[in-house]
Amino acid sequence: EVQLVQSGEEVKKPGESLKISCKGSGYRFTSYWIAWVRQMPGKGLEWMGIIYPADSDTRYSPSFQGQVTISADKSISTAFLQWNSLKASDTAIYYCAISGGSTDYWGQGTLVTVSS
Amino acid sequence: DIQMTQSPSAMSASVGDRVTITCRASQGISNYLAWFQQKPGKVPKRLIYAASSLQSGVPSRFSGSGSGTEFSLTISSLQPEDFATYYCLQYNAYPYTFGQGTKLEIK
Repeated sequence: EVQLVQSGEEVKKPGESLKISCKGSGYRFTSYWIAWVRQMPGKGLEWMGIIYPADSDTRYSPSFQGQVTISADKSISTAFLQWNSLKASDTAIYYCAISGGSTDYWGQGTLVTVSS
Repeated sequence: DIQMTQSPSAMSASVGDRVTITCRASQGISNYLAWFQQKPGKVPKRLIYAASSLQSGVPSRFSGSGSGTEFSLTISSLQPEDFATYYCLQYNAYPYTFGQGTKLEIK
């Protein structure tokens, strides 16, 4: 069974750093691009970027380039989304997802709350 | 970036109604379009990929059509569980982009 299991809820202060994770199982981790999607409270879905774990080829949406870092460690079948300095506006649910052809799986989402 | 414009942003309908949501791309995307359904507090669920291919397990009352810049999602006979927010996603070119969403409410 394909699963993407994300790390748990985070509560952080502005200026702090954070790295959340997405662990894949039940499929060949290096075969699918993994995307990250943001959903701010009460808002729509925003595509942030994507990584190919086999070679770490990464593409970002211009809206998120320089704001976050997407990475992956294929040895542990895990993708990451990282911030160096969080802002209150980073408060959102973050989803990871894989898709390709008829394949489409999403993680359960990680709620990140940034508040002083 | 390719902009995806959905319409309407919100609509109300009754059980049994036929409903169509449209998505327009700012440039041609061939058939690289997917439709997602999201219910409150839930993970998005893909309904349609490649503009018209039905995701496994999705009821046949959902259908997608279009190519190039104009796409539509049709629900042939609304069921109570279909009241949700729907999003289109273009995956023809990076960055992939979602439409702003269509909230479908009960009339």
